[in-house]
Amino acid sequence: AQSVTQLGSHVSVSEGALVLLRCNYSSSVPPYLFWYVQYPNQGLQLLLKYTSAATLVKGINGFEAEFKKSETSFHLTKPSAHMSDAAEYFCAVRLRNNAGNMLTFGGGTRLMVKP
Amino acid sequence: DSGVTQTPKHLITATGQRVTLRCSPRSGDLSVYWYQQSLDQGLQFLIQYYNGEERAKGNILERFSAQQFPDLHSELNLSSLELGDSALYFCASSPGLAGAITGELFFGEGSRLTVL
Repeated sequence: AQSVTQLGSHVSVSEGALVLLRCNYSSSVPPYLFWYVQYPNQGLQLLLKYTSAATLVKGINGFEAEFKKSETSFHLTKPSAHMSDAAEYFCAVRLRNNAGNMLTFGGGTRLMVKP
Repeated sequence: DSGVTQTPKHLITATGQRVTLRCSPRSGDLSVYWYQQSLDQGLQFLIQYYNGEERAKGNILERFSAQQFPDLHSELNLSSLELGDSALYFCASSPGLAGAITGELFFGEGSRLTVL
């Protein structure tokens, strides 16, 4: 079964520092991959997605992610953290041949940004 | 604002009771998805409806059921509630069946259920 693992349930960075949130998937076939962000008391919002075009995907708010098939990874990065980036981030996967239409989410990583 | 509306935002009830959570998708969206978010299980897919018909089923308990009405709003019914059902229940919508492929899932703010 497809699954997605996010390493680190909590990540803390200083404002202005690099943000790196890790996501690995398990699938023999490259899936569709997504990153969502959840701000406090809000629903999930799509940050970016990989659907087989460029392996480096740019999203909103300065985030980007790189699909690496050899490492089965789709890590999320941002060069310089801002206080407003504090939120929970979810990696999600959907197999290309999945007859269903659901996304499988990772456990989430809570990003804290220190002043 | 995603355009997806969920009610109620908060609900407190007792074990053994039954509750109904409601979701209004974005205008024009035909697919509705229900997810459960809890501390121990994370974000779990429950069920998907497309234009009134069930399309995909995930880890939904038999005590739970859902439906999508002709006006496209959806309801998630939770019965014989247990303490472990306490969670945040999200509804998401997308324009069509391919919502998950394109990533176009628009989430509501969730309904927080507390079972005492």
